[in-house]
Amino acid sequence: EADIYQTPRYLVIGTGKKITLECSQTMGHDKMYWYQQDPGMELHLIHYSYGVNSTEKGDLSSESTVSRIRTEHFPLTLESARPSHTSQYLCASSAPGQGLGTQYFGPGTRLTVL
Amino acid sequence: GQQLNQSPQSMFIQEGEDVSMNCTSSSIFNTWLWYKQDPGEGPVLLIALYKAGELTSNGRLTAQFGITRKDSFLNISASIPSDVGIYFCAGQLGSNYQLIWGAGTKLIIKP
Repeated sequence: EADIYQTPRYLVIGTGKKITLECSQTMGHDKMYWYQQDPGMELHLIHYSYGVNSTEKGDLSSESTVSRIRTEHFPLTLESARPSHTSQYLCASSAPGQGLGTQYFGPGTRLTVL
Repeated sequence: GQQLNQSPQSMFIQEGEDVSMNCTSSSIFNTWLWYKQDPGEGPVLLIALYKAGELTSNGRLTAQFGITRKDSFLNISASIPSDVGIYFCAGQLGSNYQLIWGAGTKLIIKP
């Protein structure tokens, strides 16, 4: 099972602020993902990475950006937060040796933009 | 785009009852995954299925990969209060490592 960490767990911030949500995994997984989820609703993929220096946008349009400079680290940045960005952000990772597509999730960051 | 239909949307059950939920699609999947999510937490993998017809158990949970590869079900036997939460199915198409997600089944245990 993957060890995957997200910080902060909760963030309340004002409109217009720049924020970075951190995600790290210690299992050496090559693939990492960011999802956006409203409470009790389905998950929407916003970014993914298949390895270092590889990033792609997901199905849900997002104003956030990501980077993958190191295998274990996949931060997500919002340059100017808005109330519409209020949501839960989930990071996940997967490795082909553990079954195609099987993803392991971090605990999430609950973001509130005032 | 691709879509998974997960049902039921919610279930109200008595403690001790068995629970069944399923996901269907018009597409053929290579992998079916079942996750449980508690409030304020990330989804936790319960069962992963990789072959058509595969039947896998994890304690009181049993899941099957449909023969047609277009559906999967999850059963929970003798439900207990800690089973409360939202259960998500997810499937993988082809060699794309992205997952298609169901909308979730919310399990509520009646007091």
